[in-house]
Amino acid sequence: AQKITQTQPGMFVQEKEAVTLDCTYDTSDPSYGLFWYKQPSSGEMIFLIYQGSYDQQNATEGRYSLNFQKARKSANLVISASQLGDSAMYFCAMREREEAAGNKLTFGGGTRVLVKP
Amino acid sequence: DTGVSQNPRHKITKRGQNVTFRCDPISEHNRLYWYRQTLGQGPEFLTYFQNEAQLEKSRLLSDRFSAERPKGSFSTLEIQRTEQGDSAMYLCASSWRGELFFGEGSRLTVL
Repeated sequence: AQKITQTQPGMFVQEKEAVTLDCTYDTSDPSYGLFWYKQPSSGEMIFLIYQGSYDQQNATEGRYSLNFQKARKSANLVISASQLGDSAMYFCAMREREEAAGNKLTFGGGTRVLVKP
Repeated sequence: DTGVSQNPRHKITKRGQNVTFRCDPISEHNRLYWYRQTLGQGPEFLTYFQNEAQLEKSRLLSDRFSAERPKGSFSTLEIQRTEQGDSAMYLCASSWRGELFFGEGSRLTVL
């Protein structure tokens, strides 16, 4: 079974509008972490935002916010006020056994975002 | 530049040849990871080092793959007798305790 599912292969968004990227996950561990990474055409994976399974509040980092719905096992990324530079692949990832040694991540298949001027 | 550095950035080789990739992590990071990313997919975990010890290897890492981190600093990933299915981006990442910091990857094309 897929541990991380991103159902949107690609999305267009108008510049200055908000966009929501979906991510659902599957784990039986009570302690886990959820990440979002951006991958521009250069190839580098850029960390955007992190949510721990025990965090009470949704994570926010500048224009990025994570809509964490634990009961639904979803961790959607919201990008507000989209910019042309936001055009990239976006990956959701999970780290299980939060306190365990190592930061092995399981990634979803990604969503390509294209921002239109 | 104090980020994760990988080289070569691109490698084209013929089937059956050996290739080696190098990763220089962020200097104070004790953990180093290798991931493989095929076209249109998310990265897949290959292996992980804590200092010089290789602590975990994925089933994706066949006998033709070997990774080392001899002095707990840089790491190499060698692929022997390359196959066309090895064509992918090989990503290296490092961490101290928190999030992973990735390099720009080494893209391998096997003809």
